[in-house]
Amino acid sequence: EMVMTQSPATLSVSPGERATLSCRASQSVGSNLAWYQQKPGQAPRLLIYGASTRATGIPARFSGSGSGTEFTLTISSLQSEDFAVYFCHQYNNWPLFGPGTKVDI
Amino acid sequence: EEQLVESGGGLVKPGGSLRLSCAASGFTFINAWMSWVRQSPVKGLEWVARIKSKGAGGTTEYAAPVKGRFTISRDDSENTLYLQMNSLKTEDTAVYYCVAEYYGSYLYWGQGTLVIVSS
Repeated sequence: EMVMTQSPATLSVSPGERATLSCRASQSVGSNLAWYQQKPGQAPRLLIYGASTRATGIPARFSGSGSGTEFTLTISSLQSEDFAVYFCHQYNNWPLFGPGTKVDI
Repeated sequence: EEQLVESGGGLVKPGGSLRLSCAASGFTFINAWMSWVRQSPVKGLEWVARIKSKGAGGTTEYAAPVKGRFTISRDDSENTLYLQMNSLKTEDTAVYYCVAEYYGSYLYWGQGTLVIVSS
C-alpha cells in the first residue's frame, strides 16, 4: 500500500527566509507529483505539477524538484501570504495526498 | 474565469443518502476529467472518485472506502458533475470538493460542501 509522508509537520520561518518542504512516497511515482497550498477556510490551490512545473500564475519563488520517491518544494523568500499548509499529491497510481506541512511564523 | 460550485451537502443520519452537485463554468467541461476529493480533520485530503470525459471513454473509478456506495456521474449538457452517496457512514463526514484534473493534478477546485453524517 502506497504511503505519502511529509516533513516537517510544522515549519517555523520568518518572512524573507527560504523554506524547504519534503515529500516522500513509499514507492516510485516517477514525476507524477503535485504540490498544493491551502489557507484556512479555502480550497487547496495547485502550485506545482509534474514534480517541477509551476501552474499558471504561481510566482517564481515556488519551485519543485525530485523524482521517484523523494520530492522537495522550495519557497525561496517567504512572503506573508505564503504562510499556509502545503500538501503533496501523487497521481501515478490511485491518487494519494500527504498529510501536509504547516508553514508558520 | 474558471469556476466550480458545489451544492447538496448537509446533515444526514448513518445509512442515509445525499446527492452532491457541482456546476462548472469558464472551461470546456465536456473535455475535462473530473473528480471528487474530500477533506476531514481525521483523514486529511482523500480522493473519492473520478469520471473521465466521454471522449476518453467516460469511465469511472472509486476509492476503496466508497466503492459500491457512491456513484459519480456527469451531465455535459448542463456542465454539471454529481456524486450520489448511499449507505453513508460517520467516517464519510468531510468537506467534499469538486475538482477538474490537469494531467492528473487537480487544477480547479470548488469551494467545498460540508457533509455531516451523524445520528
